[in-house]
Amino acid sequence: QQQVKQSPQSLIVQKGGISIINCAYENTAFDYFPWYQQFPGKGPALLIAIRPDVSEKKEGRFTISFNKSAKQFSLHIMDSQPGDSATYFCAASLLTGGGNKLTFGTGTQLKVEL
Amino acid sequence: DVKVTQSSRYLVKRTGEKVFLECVQDMDHENMFWYRQDPGLGLRLIYFSYDVKMKEKGDIPEGYSVSREKKERFSLILESASTNQTSMYLCASTSPGGPTDTQYFGPGTRLTVL
Repeated sequence: QQQVKQSPQSLIVQKGGISIINCAYENTAFDYFPWYQQFPGKGPALLIAIRPDVSEKKEGRFTISFNKSAKQFSLHIMDSQPGDSATYFCAASLLTGGGNKLTFGTGTQLKVEL
Repeated sequence: DVKVTQSSRYLVKRTGEKVFLECVQDMDHENMFWYRQDPGLGLRLIYFSYDVKMKEKGDIPEGYSVSREKKERFSLILESASTNQTSMYLCASTSPGGPTDTQYFGPGTRLTVL
């Protein structure tokens, strides 16, 4: 049961273009939505995150758009660069008895071409 | 600088062997997690621990067990390895403080079961 659905699976963008990755969730109890970036041979690292009471968050070239009523959120990478080539995972956080548990999307492999 | 280390980057084992994957964090984090990462499936939570000697099942605990005897160390155990456990295994840690906890990941162990 995939509680967080992510698309597309892979994406090729030209340098300077906009990369858009979409995610949708089902559980309305999720209370935090981070994006993680993973380079080959490395573990994922937090890129940017948003709380559900905010519709947009921007950090440099990276923006999260959040639509609570549609249960959807997306990552926009403006002016995409070859160094942005990586795998991106959306996630949703749920508070459990001992702490927060993340449910991840299936990942998007982004390639930015010159 | 935060650090999560995993005992091996690559591991090859035979079907039926008992396999230990070790994870150590130096950030004094209470919570630790084990995930497996498979193409097209993203990161799936196997087990997590929110305190020494405490553990909770994640989404795919079957065939795995864990041990947390010390705060900094979290071990994943495959009691009898099978070929369908060939995967990338990622360890993460975080300090609980609300929904904005950042999970810090190790570099991963790529396990091949022959």
